[in-house]
Amino acid sequence: DAKTTQPPSMDCAEGRAANLPCNHSTISGNEYVYWYRQIHSQGPQYIIHGLKNNETNEMASLIITEDRKSSTLILPHATLRDTAVYYCILKTGANNLFFGTGTRLTVIP
Amino acid sequence: DAGVIQSPRHEVTEMGQEVTLRCKPISGHDYLFWYRQTMMRGLELLIYFNNNVPIDDSGMPEDRFSAKMPNASFSTLKIQPSEPRDSAVYFCASSFYDYGYTFGSGTRLTVV
Repeated sequence: DAKTTQPPSMDCAEGRAANLPCNHSTISGNEYVYWYRQIHSQGPQYIIHGLKNNETNEMASLIITEDRKSSTLILPHATLRDTAVYYCILKTGANNLFFGTGTRLTVIP
Repeated sequence: DAGVIQSPRHEVTEMGQEVTLRCKPISGHDYLFWYRQTMMRGLELLIYFNNNVPIDDSGMPEDRFSAKMPNASFSTLKIQPSEPRDSAVYFCASSFYDYGYTFGSGTRLTVV
């Protein structure tokens, strides 16, 4: 069922930008790219989503390639509280979010 | 807004007992989702509702599991009888159409 591919783990120095990649080569035209994160023992938290344009909010930026086959989530200034598992998900409409295994980001002091 | 509220936070029960998990979605949200998370299988969708009507229950593992949403502000997930393999964290989430889902803090269920 997994339609996205993410590295299992990444490290990032505190204060630096964290760039989390996601491959979704089979994405269809009406599928949005969603990013969620799950901090240990908490429920998943919505971060950002986009269709084809780059998006930015108070938490992060989402860069989607022109062919839409991959994307990058950018946390501009990572803090220790950003240590979490980050999930890249494709979704059409209000249906199942298939979470996959995600990327475990560790922010190092 | 208090967010999605789940109760209880922790539940320990004996095998064969009935377990009821509860969820209060965010007011105004028209979708409600029940997920289960285990180390082996990750996050799995069990069932979701739209305007209190069950839309897709294909993720419900077996007849021992049932979910209801009697009104827009309350949902339950019931397991009867419970088994040790049901031990997991159960999350409820709600959304307004296809905007970002808001998850609750989860219920950690242990069946001994």
